[in-house]
Amino acid sequence: GESVGLHLPTLSVQEGDNSIINCAYSNSASDYFIWYKQESGKGPQFIIDIRSNMDKRQGQRVTVLLNKTVKHLSLQIAATQPGDSAVYFCAENANAGGTSYGKLTFGQGTILTVHP
Amino acid sequence: NAGVTQTPKFQVLKTGQSMTLQCAQDMNHNSMYWYRQDPGMGLRLIYYSASEGTTDKGEVPNGYNVSRLNKREFSLRLESAAPSQTSVYFCASSGFEGVGTDTQYFGPGTRLTVL
Repeated sequence: GESVGLHLPTLSVQEGDNSIINCAYSNSASDYFIWYKQESGKGPQFIIDIRSNMDKRQGQRVTVLLNKTVKHLSLQIAATQPGDSAVYFCAENANAGGTSYGKLTFGQGTILTVHP
Repeated sequence: NAGVTQTPKFQVLKTGQSMTLQCAQDMNHNSMYWYRQDPGMGLRLIYYSASEGTTDKGEVPNGYNVSRLNKREFSLRLESAAPSQTSVYFCASSGFEGVGTDTQYFGPGTRLTVL
């Protein structure tokens, strides 16, 4: 299992800067990865996903990079806005191939604060 | 489409009391999940239901029971609440959306305090 605690990693950026949030995963069998955004008092919201047969995927203002060699995932947010302030979680799934369900394992989360 | 809905939004219980958290989804998803989130932590899976009629334990099932009432509804029951079960509970659902996605969609959460 992963270590847990009350002190989440934090990232503070200025509005308009690019943000990079990192995540290390532990299960080499994981084949599907998701980034979620969670605003205060709300449930996690899907941002972007990537399968293990890809190393990069782009969405609107967001890019996810996957490095399977070192089991590392990153989320890049371009032109970060105050509305991007939230906790960002990565999640991995080792049972996604061809099935309609998967047990996600969530990372601890990173707090992103965007200053105007 | 309401997505995933949860009731109640807030609840305070005394130790030993029981209650059921309700969850419903209107996306015709096959799979549903219950998670708990403690301060400063990610989500931990309590129970999940891969399809109607099936349920399985997740990472932290002790002290909980679930019922997949039908395809839409998945409830979580605390038979004898303990202070350690103070947490925010999230329900989620997922289903085939085409080739290769298992995205889970989350409800707004239930904030439970056990005194």
